[in-house]
Amino acid sequence: DIVMTQSHKFMSTSVGDRVSITCKASQDVSTAVAWYQQKPGQSPKLLIYSASYRYTGVPDRFTGSGSGTDFTFTISSVQAEDLAVYYCQQHYSTPPTFGAGTKLELK
Amino acid sequence: EVKLVESGGGLVQPGGSLRLSCATSGFTFTDYYMSWVRQPPGKALEWLGFIRNKANGYTTEYSASVKGRFTISRDNSQSILYLQMNTLRAEDSATYYCARDQLDGYYGWFAYWGQGTLVTVSA
Repeated sequence: DIVMTQSHKFMSTSVGDRVSITCKASQDVSTAVAWYQQKPGQSPKLLIYSASYRYTGVPDRFTGSGSGTDFTFTISSVQAEDLAVYYCQQHYSTPPTFGAGTKLELK
Repeated sequence: EVKLVESGGGLVQPGGSLRLSCATSGFTFTDYYMSWVRQPPGKALEWLGFIRNKANGYTTEYSASVKGRFTISRDNSQSILYLQMNTLRAEDSATYYCARDQLDGYYGWFAYWGQGTLVTVSA
């Protein structure tokens, strides 16, 4: 199985900051990476698929980039409602696998 | 509006069985692959398996961690997805989500999720 590694379990930020979350795949997954946001008590919400495609209705402050094994998810200007856990997921092959998550917190 | 609503979770003893349901509406159920994903408390998401759509014969695939113990099925007449879980272990304790894939195939990213149902395996 492909292992997705999110090296930061926690990241501290301030409202208005630009923040980037990284994810590394254990093998080449082309651009087959999705990013999800999950708030406490809620199901995951899809933000990005195929590395850089913003899902319908997702604000343009959320962007994704990368290919091969290295991927980045960026929030250009963090809003209070963006404080959540973010997961990367490869959809290159089955089983689809998720990273361990990065919790975005206020400084 | 697409809706996915899980039910059937609860407390079960180790070695026991449980069947989860995912009632769906708002889309043509038979056109879509459907997956189950779980999340232990405070931990990451884990894909468990999927059942293919009508065009692909409703066949199934499972993760190694549940293959042989869990079975995914679907009632296409009622648009309900099921997860039969047998020989349950403490490490199966989690919130279980159903998730829908994209139209007509396996894309592997999930735009629609249910709200989840909690399964606790404990004596």
